[in-house]
Amino acid sequence: GIQVEQSPPDLILQEGANSTLRCNFSDSVNNLQWFHQNPWGQLINLFYIPSGTKQNGRLSATTVATERYSLLYISSSQTTDSGVYFCAVDLFGGTASKLTFGTGTRLQVTL
Amino acid sequence: DAGITQSPRHKVTETGTPVTLRCHQTENHRYMYWYRQDPGHGLRLIHYSYGVKDTDKGEVSDGYSVSRSKTEDFLLTLESATSSQTSVYFCAIRTTGGDSPLHFGNGTRLTVT
Repeated sequence: GIQVEQSPPDLILQEGANSTLRCNFSDSVNNLQWFHQNPWGQLINLFYIPSGTKQNGRLSATTVATERYSLLYISSSQTTDSGVYFCAVDLFGGTASKLTFGTGTRLQVTL
Repeated sequence: DAGITQSPRHKVTETGTPVTLRCHQTENHRYMYWYRQDPGHGLRLIHYSYGVKDTDKGEVSDGYSVSRSKTEDFLLTLESATSSQTSVYFCAIRTTGGDSPLHFGNGTRLTVT
């Protein structure tokens, strides 16, 4: 099956710093999504981004499908950005698209 | 808010007992999914549904069954719970078709003793 690798696995930042999270995948995909899991366990969809660049406030994402990677940028990080960031690739097969998740990047933002 | 409610939120059960988790949605979305989340494994797909009475297996379906008798409810059943099924279970939906953003419920923490 497809492999989805995220780096770095862990990241500690001071508030106000910028960061880049990377997601590599081993095969062609229909699209890619980024999620944030907050410290209370809730999973929030950040981006649905099969290709190109999207921005949402301090966060932006870029997917280069031909080179099989995606990047998530966090600018001016805040403590509320802490949690785990997952990328997931969407493969269509059979009756529905199914997401395969990476193992995540755990981010801690400190004061 | 995608209108997803999971119940119960927490459950402790004994090995060998049957357990049913419920996912309820209020907006008639066609596609529903069950994932489990475990340390070191991320989120893995158990089963999914693409309509009433239409379901299929994911990558970790052994020991689980599902049913969808009406659009709004997707049930996950552990016929005979084992300790390896201790996990956090997430239900998810797609809001606008089979290839659209995925939105999750708040999860059910299941402990099998």
